[in-house]
Amino acid sequence: NAGVTQTPKFQVLKTGQSMTLQCAQDMNHNSMYWYRQDPGMGLRLIYYSASEGTTDKGEVPNGYNVSRLNKREFSLRLESAAPSQTSVYFCASSEAGGRAEQFFGPGTRLTVL
Amino acid sequence: GESVGLHLPTLSVQEGDNSIINCAYSNSASDYFIWYKQESGKGPQFIIDIRSNMDKRQGQRVTVLLNKTVKHLSLQIAATQPGDSAVYFCAENLAGGSNYKLTFGKGTLLTVNP
Repeated sequence: NAGVTQTPKFQVLKTGQSMTLQCAQDMNHNSMYWYRQDPGMGLRLIYYSASEGTTDKGEVPNGYNVSRLNKREFSLRLESAAPSQTSVYFCASSEAGGRAEQFFGPGTRLTVL
Repeated sequence: GESVGLHLPTLSVQEGDNSIINCAYSNSASDYFIWYKQESGKGPQFIIDIRSNMDKRQGQRVTVLLNKTVKHLSLQIAATQPGDSAVYFCAENLAGGSNYKLTFGKGTLLTVNP
């Protein structure tokens, strides 16, 4: 099993450009999450999907949109990138709910110039 | 708002020693806590969790202690090894809130010297 995979690993954007971060899990998990991690900071939840067909805002949703494409895939879209969105983005999944072990992907390092 | 924080941002120990990583939380409504380890360039990895109806929980070489009176959480690592070098995060979940929303602390960097 690959676990949680994310693409791309690195990305550089110019202000105003758009892009989609892809995430997939092969553990048949119901719940999926997107976090961002800034230097010297803990992870902050952007959006989550409790189950296929549902998405909800986390702590810092502004400037982002998500799509739970199917049970395996959960994408994060930046419609108009801003320098404040420079960060490392992690996708995670869990069997059911946040009160369970979340399995994290390797991260996408995004720089917005 | 209230948030999870850490007493020590860095901790350096000798291989074989025991390590104690501390975490203070200010929200008394939190009733679930979890520790993650993050190695350089990787995603976080689950270590252990604990619910507020417990004071202590043990795993393999790790123990989490919860003191609700002073709102303090600690992670003890026995016989620390070089492979334990990483950033350790505690996180909390609020009772009555969304089970899906974890609030993470800023992390403690553990360095194990051989």
